[in-house]
Amino acid sequence: GAGVSQTPSNKVTEKGKYVELRCDPISGHTALYWYRQSLGQGPEFLIYFQGTGAADDSGLPNDRFFAVRPEGSVSTLKIQRTERGDSAVYLCASRLGGGAETQYFGPGTRLLVL
Amino acid sequence: GNSVTQMEGPVTLSEEAFLTINCTYTATGYPSLFWYVQYPGEGLQLLLKATKADDKGSNKGFEATYRKETTSFHLEKGSVQVSDSAVYFCALKVTGGGNKLTFGTGTQLKVEL
Repeated sequence: GAGVSQTPSNKVTEKGKYVELRCDPISGHTALYWYRQSLGQGPEFLIYFQGTGAADDSGLPNDRFFAVRPEGSVSTLKIQRTERGDSAVYLCASRLGGGAETQYFGPGTRLLVL
Repeated sequence: GNSVTQMEGPVTLSEEAFLTINCTYTATGYPSLFWYVQYPGEGLQLLLKATKADDKGSNKGFEATYRKETTSFHLEKGSVQVSDSAVYFCALKVTGGGNKLTFGTGTQLKVEL
């Protein structure tokens, strides 16, 4: 079946602009995660959804970052007033839920803020 | 807090050589441990996992044993292939943490003929 998909695959924007990054999880997966991977680093947790609600947003770096999952499926990560330091690969992962442990990752969106 | 420390790369080996990538962790609580692999141009994939002490995870010839006494989860393979060239990430998850993963910085492996 289809895996986790993310769009766009690449996004170039200017400092100060607003961007939206989209994640389509595996069908039926109730849990969804966003991570950020800076160059040469491992992914860092941003936010976790269980269904429609954000169960843990402790990884969001500041209030410029926001994410939604209004229908419990597709999620959008929104970044306001982008800064050059926001440049990274943004990864989405989904998990079936319940006792299932494995997270399945999408290919990521590479964001470059000029 | 929770953290994962991996050996720095790149690690360069000849085909059929023995591989060890070290991973140690610090965790509040009793974590599950994972190795993820990222092949060139592809997304992260789960390679193997272990959920309790002394468990051995294995897949595709790779193995790692959960060592609670040394807080380690070293990745090993007896004979690497060129196709194993990738970046390997060690990660942990603590119970009750919503299954969010804490990753190490990754270790790049290059296997040459």
